[in-house]
Amino acid sequence: DAKTTQPNSMESNEEEPVHLPCNHSTISGTDYIHWYRQLPSQGPEYVIHGLTSNVNNRMASLAIAEDRKSSTLILHRATLRDAAVYYCILRDPHGSSNTGKLIFGQGTTLQVKP
Amino acid sequence: NAGVMQNPRHLVRRRGQEARLRCSPMKGHSHVYWYRQLPEEGLKFMVYLQKENIIDESGMPKERFSAEFPKEGPSILRIQQVVRGDSAAYFCASSPAINNEQFFGPGTRLTVL
Repeated sequence: DAKTTQPNSMESNEEEPVHLPCNHSTISGTDYIHWYRQLPSQGPEYVIHGLTSNVNNRMASLAIAEDRKSSTLILHRATLRDAAVYYCILRDPHGSSNTGKLIFGQGTTLQVKP
Repeated sequence: NAGVMQNPRHLVRRRGQEARLRCSPMKGHSHVYWYRQLPEEGLKFMVYLQKENIIDESGMPKERFSAEFPKEGPSILRIQQVVRGDSAAYFCASSPAINNEQFFGPGTRLTVL
């Protein structure tokens, strides 16, 4: 799986938008971009994923660069409950060695200040 | 629909004992993944099972660790002769298909004294 690079940590104020960047310059044409987050003392949870087009769901939006070498997870209004480690992960469903496993990096630790 | 269940949530073992961690996937999910998170580290894939079969165990230590997912009952991650370095949070995730979203359990926190 291709590698992703994320900032170690970010801070945000409550009720403000948060933009979490992810670089994946070696992404292949069939890699999907997935985001998971892990709240303190909990298991990870799925946030969103996309391939080429921007995606929206009830939790967040995913903006994907035109060349797909980077993407940004957008939380429109951060709450204290959004404080977590956010992981950007590439998955290729068509790869010859694909078994669906998730390869987690260090992620971005998001702090939300009241 | 109940989520992924793991038990026990906390497990304390002395060095040399065995640890058995259980994972009940979500209803209808036949794909189970186990991950380990060492203190202050990220999550690492260990093993992927699909009902009665181990599909990918590339992340599992070759010795002392084993996993199963029987036709009936939960998936079990078994660690024999535990050592202090096995202290970690062990998470399982289930999925209805190989490349679908994975749903994670709350984890089992293993402490080896």
